Amino acid sequence: AQSVTQLGSHVSVSEGALVLLRCNYSSSVPPYLFWYVQYPNQGLQLLLKYTSAATLVKGINGFEAEFKKSETSFHLTKPSAHMSDAAEYFCAVRPYNNNDMRFGAGTRLTVKP
Amino acid sequence: EAGVAQSPRYKIIEKRQSVAFWCNPISGHATLYWYQQILGQGPKLLIQFQNNGVVDDSQLPKDRFSAERLKGVDSTLKIQPAKLEDSAVYLCASSERDRWVTEAFFGQGTRLTVV
Repeated sequence: AQSVTQLGSHVSVSEGALVLLRCNYSSSVPPYLFWYVQYPNQGLQLLLKYTSAATLVKGINGFEAEFKKSETSFHLTKPSAHMSDAAEYFCAVRPYNNNDMRFGAGTRLTVKP
Repeated sequence: EAGVAQSPRYKIIEKRQSVAFWCNPISGHATLYWYQQILGQGPKLLIQFQNNGVVDDSQLPKDRFSAERLKGVDSTLKIQPAKLEDSAVYLCASSERDRWVTEAFFGQGTRLTVV
């Protein structure tokens, strides 16, 4: 079965600094990978997804992620953090051949003024 | 396009009581998921439906949890009897069956507090 590990349950950055949220996956078949964001008392919103096309994926709100098969990683980055980026971020994986989606434990991003 | 609808948004019950949550997925979405999200953790899949059939319920505590999707559209998740550790947000999500349409769309969730 597939699984996801998110390194760091809390990440704190200053406004304007680089955001890096780490995600490593395990999957026995080619995976689809996702990053979701969750604001307080809200559901999950898709930021971006990798579906075996380009390995560098651009998403909403200036976020991007790079699929690295050799490192089994799909880290999320943003060049310059904004206060509105403060939220919980979840990495998720599902096999290319079914809809079984599994989530990581999440990383809470704090942005300091 | 209307999103995934869930109700109620909040529910407080005493332990040993029963509770039910309702979900209406995006129109045309064949796959429906129920996730449990305990505070500070990622969503954990409880059950996955494809139309009205169960694809995966391996993590559903079947002694107290049940779910159905009788007509392949909306779904209910029931807990009977509830325990303190069931306090969590219950998220419903849906996706199209087509493998090329890959992401799940989430509702706002139902926050359950068991006291």
